[in-house]
Amino acid sequence: SQTIHQWPATLVQPVGSPLSLECTVEGTSNPNLYWYRQAAGRGLQLLFYSVGIGQISSEVPQNLSASRPQDRQFILSSKKLLLSDSGFYLCAWSVSGATDTQYFGPGTRLTVL
Amino acid sequence: AQTVTQSQPEMSVQEAETVTLSCTYDTSESDYYLFWYKQPPSRQMILVIRQEAYKQQNATENRFSVNFQKAAKSFSLKISDSQLGDAAMYFCAYPQGGSEKLVFGKGMKLTVNP
Repeated sequence: SQTIHQWPATLVQPVGSPLSLECTVEGTSNPNLYWYRQAAGRGLQLLFYSVGIGQISSEVPQNLSASRPQDRQFILSSKKLLLSDSGFYLCAWSVSGATDTQYFGPGTRLTVL
Repeated sequence: AQTVTQSQPEMSVQEAETVTLSCTYDTSESDYYLFWYKQPPSRQMILVIRQEAYKQQNATENRFSVNFQKAAKSFSLKISDSQLGDAAMYFCAYPQGGSEKLVFGKGMKLTVNP
């Protein structure tokens, strides 16, 4: 069966510090991968998605970036965090295909102080 | 712009009773999927049920069922025999333009009263 992992689970970082959140998927090959952000009390905002290694699509202009160094690894990064980057970050995967179900990881709670 | 609307931000239901969560969407696609996700206090998004738009039959998963009205672009979720563990945020979603990207509604908070 497929599983998705995210770490860290919780992170507190000062403004201006770098960020690296990692997501890995097990039990499947060539998944579509997604990064979402959820601000407190709000819905999900798609940040990035990837349909293959090195293929990253950005949905929202910001100081965040994403990379996919391996087939089942998706990384969300920032060189300098802003207060507005605080939120809950969710990684998801789906089988390659246009309308397949997305399965979510446990998420990372990021607080920027 | 394609949108998903959940008009009720909060609802409550008594344990063992039935509740219906509403969702409307706007798409020009003819073939697509629709999803309901649940987000409990742990905040992990969990798939509740999926509906294929080309299917006439409404999807059912145990106590969860949908009322899919394609012409009206309505996709409501019915929870029967509500349990305390059903308390969560519920999000309706569908793929934007038939793509890999899901568009989510703003969510609805369901409270289950004992």
